[in-house]
Amino acid sequence: NAGVTQTPKFRILKIGQSMTLQCTQDMNHNYMYWYRQDPGMGLKLIYYSVGAGITDKGEVPNGYNVSRSTTEDFPLRLELAAPSQTSVYFCASSYSGQGANSPLHFGNGTRLTVT
Amino acid sequence: RKEVEQDPGPFNVPEGATVAFNCTYSNSASQSFFWYRQDCRKEPKLLMSVYSSGNEDGRFTAQLNRASQYISLLIRDSKLSDSATYLCVVKQASGGSYIPTFGRGTSLIVHP
Repeated sequence: NAGVTQTPKFRILKIGQSMTLQCTQDMNHNYMYWYRQDPGMGLKLIYYSVGAGITDKGEVPNGYNVSRSTTEDFPLRLELAAPSQTSVYFCASSYSGQGANSPLHFGNGTRLTVT
Repeated sequence: RKEVEQDPGPFNVPEGATVAFNCTYSNSASQSFFWYRQDCRKEPKLLMSVYSSGNEDGRFTAQLNRASQYISLLIRDSKLSDSATYLCVVKQASGGSYIPTFGRGTSLIVHP
């Protein structure tokens, strides 16, 4: 039972490069989320999805894009990497059946450095 | 005012001590509440959900006070392995879905 899987674990990008952070879950969860966490700070929501084909902006969406073509996958795209996007990125999922009471399950994170 | 606030600490306590953290939230329509534990450079992991009547899991007790809009986490008989950052999470209804908002976390250091 893999849970939430994120790839890659680490990445160094040059300013202006693009990349996609992959996230997949095998728990058949409807809800999926992307967070970023800067040193000493809490997690900030970038984008979320309540099901395949449905995505919405979170607190800090600028510079990112997402898609949700399947229940399992929720990739996060950085089009023009900037140093301000240096962070640790966490993908999470939750089950919609319990409504608000369903906890989040996290992937191991992707550590991204933009130089 | 931030939506979910926590004292960042660090709380530095000896083994065996009892320590308590609070977390305040600003949205009175918040639906559900959780405590997560995060070890250095790792992903957050669910510690416990917080129920209105309060709940206990071994040495950990969580309480919710809706009137004052805060939740608390009490750790009894602290162990060295309890050293970590404790994140408060509040879910709020938004357009038919529930959006989790995180506090910045409270750092706990348990020393011998």
